[in-house]
Amino acid sequence: SQQGEEDPQALSIQEGENATMNCSYKTSINNLQWYRQNSGRGLVHLILIRSNEREKHSGRLRVTLDTSKKSSSLLITASRAADTASYFCATRHASGGSYIPTFGRGTSLIVHP
Amino acid sequence: DAGITQSPRHKVTETGTPVTLRCHQTENHRYMYWYRQDPGHGLRLIHYSYGVKDTDKGEVSDGYSVSRSKTEDFLLTLESATSSQTSVYFCAISASSTNEKLFFGSGTQLSVL
Repeated sequence: SQQGEEDPQALSIQEGENATMNCSYKTSINNLQWYRQNSGRGLVHLILIRSNEREKHSGRLRVTLDTSKKSSSLLITASRAADTASYFCATRHASGGSYIPTFGRGTSLIVHP
Repeated sequence: DAGITQSPRHKVTETGTPVTLRCHQTENHRYMYWYRQDPGHGLRLIHYSYGVKDTDKGEVSDGYSVSRSKTEDFLLTLESATSSQTSVYFCAISASSTNEKLFFGSGTQLSVL
C-alpha cells in the first residue's frame, strides 16, 4: 500500500492564487520529497525535506513537515499557468538495509490563465 | 537532465507474450527502480536494484522479473503479459538510498491486448 497520500486529489485555481497540497504518511520516514509531473512526462524532483527539518523554501515553493502528525504540505505561491501538472509526495522508509521511495497518488493542479 | 533512457517508448503486445523493457543510465548511480503508473494508483514500485546483480521486490512484483548485469542497465521483464499489466512504466535512479533525489526516465507506454 502507498505510504503517502496527497490531498486534494484535484485542485483548480486562477493564475496568481496560491496552491496548497497536503501529504500524509503512515510510518516514520527518513525524508520526504515532492515531485512534479507534466502530462506525458516523467517525474521531476522539486524539493526534499529531511525528518529533522520543519520548513524549506525553493523559489515559489514552500514545504513544511510535521512528523508528529505525519504530514507535509507544499505551497506554490503566485501560481502560473505553467504550474499546471500533477504533484506527488514521496517518502523514504526503511526496508531491510535500504530506504525505499514510495509515492502517493498525486494531486492534479490546474492553473487557469 | 540526468542521463536516463527508457526503451521502447511505446509497445503494443498480445496477452501471453514475454516483454522486456530497458532502462539505461549514464550517471553511474547505484540504485535503480521500476515503477508502474496507473490512474487512481499513482506510482507503485515493482522492483528495485541496489547494485549489480542485487535486486529486490517492490509492492507489485508478481508477474515481473528484473535483471541488472551491469551498472548502467536495468531490465524489466513481463514473463507472460496480461491485460492488467497495461500501464506506463517508469525507471528511476538515485545515487544513494537515503537522502538522494530520484531522477526519472520518460516512461514506456505498454498496452497488452
